[in-house]
Amino acid sequence: AQSVTQLGSHVSVSEGALVLLRCNYSSSVPPYLFWYVQYPNQGLQLLLKYTTGATLVKGINGFEAEFKKSETSFHLTKPSAHMSDAAEYFCAVTKTLAAGNKLTFGGGTRVLVKP
Amino acid sequence: GAGVSQSPSNKVTEKGKDVELRCDPISGHTALYWYRQSLGQGLEFLIYFQGNSAPDKSGLPSDRFSAERTGGSVSTLTIQRTQQEDSAVYLCASSPRLSGRFEQFFGPGTRLTVL
Repeated sequence: AQSVTQLGSHVSVSEGALVLLRCNYSSSVPPYLFWYVQYPNQGLQLLLKYTTGATLVKGINGFEAEFKKSETSFHLTKPSAHMSDAAEYFCAVTKTLAAGNKLTFGGGTRVLVKP
Repeated sequence: GAGVSQSPSNKVTEKGKDVELRCDPISGHTALYWYRQSLGQGLEFLIYFQGNSAPDKSGLPSDRFSAERTGGSVSTLTIQRTQQEDSAVYLCASSPRLSGRFEQFFGPGTRLTVL
């Protein structure tokens, strides 16, 4: 069985500061990992994904994440927070890339950006 | 192009009543998923449809929950004899059948409140 743990349900950062959201997973098979963002009253939007190849993945809006197999982690970072980054972020894992495998989500981390 | 749409956006019902939630996936997407987002349980997979294959119902929490997908397009999630613990946001997602481009596209959700 797969599981995803996001450390910290709430994170507060100052505008311009580093954003770091932590995600650890457990999986019996090599995982495929995702970060989604959810703005208020909206659905989830894909930020980035790790499938194979380069372990440092760049996504939209200046976010990136690094897959570290030895640490079973896929932490999300952004060098400089913007007010528009205030949202909830979800890390997710799936076993295959077939157009049809369910995502297992972490509990989410809500980001507050202070001016 | 048009994204995933869901209706209604909000639904308030009384305990014991049946409700139907609708999802219109992105045209041409063969895979369709339902997830539930609640305060207590986070984001949970409910059910998945892929083309004409039998649906994966492994996430449905009880036999009060059912879903169908007509003509490989629109899907309806039905909850019978609603309970207060069914209150949640129900998210629908669709995915194209393109290997290597796995991504689920989410709708805005239906917020269900059971009084």
